[in-house]
Amino acid sequence: DTGVSQDPRHKITKRGQNVTFRCDPISEHNRLYWYRQTLGQGPEFLTYFQNEAQLEKSRLLSDRFSAERPKGSFSTLEIQRTEQGDSAMYLCASSLVRDSPKLFFGSGTQLSVL
Amino acid sequence: GEDVEQSLFLSVREGDSSVINCTYTDSSSTYLYWYKQEPGAGLQLLTYIFSNMDMKQDQRLTVLLNKKDKHLSLRIADTQTGDSAIYFCAESMESNTGKLIFGQGTTLQVKP
Repeated sequence: DTGVSQDPRHKITKRGQNVTFRCDPISEHNRLYWYRQTLGQGPEFLTYFQNEAQLEKSRLLSDRFSAERPKGSFSTLEIQRTEQGDSAMYLCASSLVRDSPKLFFGSGTQLSVL
Repeated sequence: GEDVEQSLFLSVREGDSSVINCTYTDSSSTYLYWYKQEPGAGLQLLTYIFSNMDMKQDQRLTVLLNKKDKHLSLRIADTQTGDSAIYFCAESMESNTGKLIFGQGTTLQVKP
């Protein structure tokens, strides 16, 4: 069990650019979640997958955001035409369906949009 | 709508007990959680409690749930400097989905 891994740890980009983050869940975890955390706040749910199927998306996830989990293992979160308001920590978590109360979080990707 | 509230800051002396409080609004919550976040790190699951339980103890941690008042607390016995962190309370929005609503977090400062 190597834990949830996220890459990169930090990303600085200019407004209008596209960015993509990657998350590798704990091996054999079939659920994968994306959360967003802004400074001084708790994480907010964005979306989650069960295997390769994206089961739910929050209203927070605008059309500029897209998440994929093509083979049911790692996931990517892409933000197109970034805005300064997208600056946040993007957290990934994973769990087993049969043990769904236990979410394990990665260290996050800190995005700064200049 | 759903909301989770916590006090923002708590300061204790090393060796004392810490009690972090949380209130939530969704009476249909199935699980309630406590997570710990250290600077620059992700969230570490400390413990969770099923909504039909009143109390759960795990080593130095004791969770108390008052479902009538929608109040959750985390007690840390013999608090150490390594316990200094931000503690988040969270409730599950829907059973068996892992969609959580988090509070703002309580910063625990432990003075030597």
